[in-house]
Amino acid sequence: AQTVTQSQPEMSVQEAETVTLSCTYDTSENNYYLFWYKQPPSRQMILVIRQEAYKQQNATENRFSVNFQKAAKSFSLKISDSQLGDTAMYFCAFMKHWISNFGNEKLTFGTGTRLTIIP
Amino acid sequence: SQTIHQWPATLVQPVGSPLSLECTVEGTSNPNLYWYRQAAGRGLQLLFYSVGIGQISSEVPQNLSASRPQDRQFILSSKKLLLSDSGFYLCAWSKGGTGYNEQFFGPGTRLTVL
Repeated sequence: AQTVTQSQPEMSVQEAETVTLSCTYDTSENNYYLFWYKQPPSRQMILVIRQEAYKQQNATENRFSVNFQKAAKSFSLKISDSQLGDTAMYFCAFMKHWISNFGNEKLTFGTGTRLTIIP
Repeated sequence: SQTIHQWPATLVQPVGSPLSLECTVEGTSNPNLYWYRQAAGRGLQLLFYSVGIGQISSEVPQNLSASRPQDRQFILSSKKLLLSDSGFYLCAWSKGGTGYNEQFFGPGTRLTVL
C-alpha cells in the first residue's frame, strides 16, 4: 500500500514571495503519478500539477513547479510570486500507473498543508 | 463539456438515520466514478469506485454502501449513520481506458451527524 506524508500542517507567506510545500511518499511501485491538488475555501478540488515518475524533468505550470526526487521519494511544490488567490489547502497525492481500466485511477492523498498568503 | 453535480450540498442528520447522497455526471459516457471522504484534519480517503453500472468496489469496510443504477449516477448510502460518518464527501469522475485519466471532482456534500 502507498502512503503520502505532508509534514507541514500550516504555512504562511507574504504576497509575492516564494513558498515550498513538502511531500514524501512510500511505495514499492516503479511507475506512478504524483499530484498536487488545491482546495480553496470553496472546497472545490483543483488539480495544480502532475508528475509522471518515469520523467526525470520536473513538471512546471506557470508559477507552480515541483522538485521530484524519485530515489528519496520526495515531491515538493514551489509556488513563485505567491498571490492571495493561492490561499488554500494543498494536497499531495499518489496514483499507481495501470495499463488497463479497472477503475484504478485511485488517488492516495496526504493530510494537506493549509497555506495562507498574507497581503 | 462535462460537469459533475452533487446534492445535497449540506446535510445534518441524527445518529441512526439513513443517508443518501447523489452524484451525477453530464457530458460523458461510461465514466469511472469515485466517492471520497474528507474527515476533519485528514486528507481524502477513497471509499468506493465504479467502472460501470452495477459494478462497485469498496476500499474501506464501513457502514456505507454505494450503488450505480445508471451510467452517470453514483449514490452513497447508509442505513444507520454513525457520528464518525461526519465529513465532507466528494464524488469524482474520470474517463475509462488505459493510461492516465485525470479525475474531476464535484463540489462536495458536507455531512454532519449529530
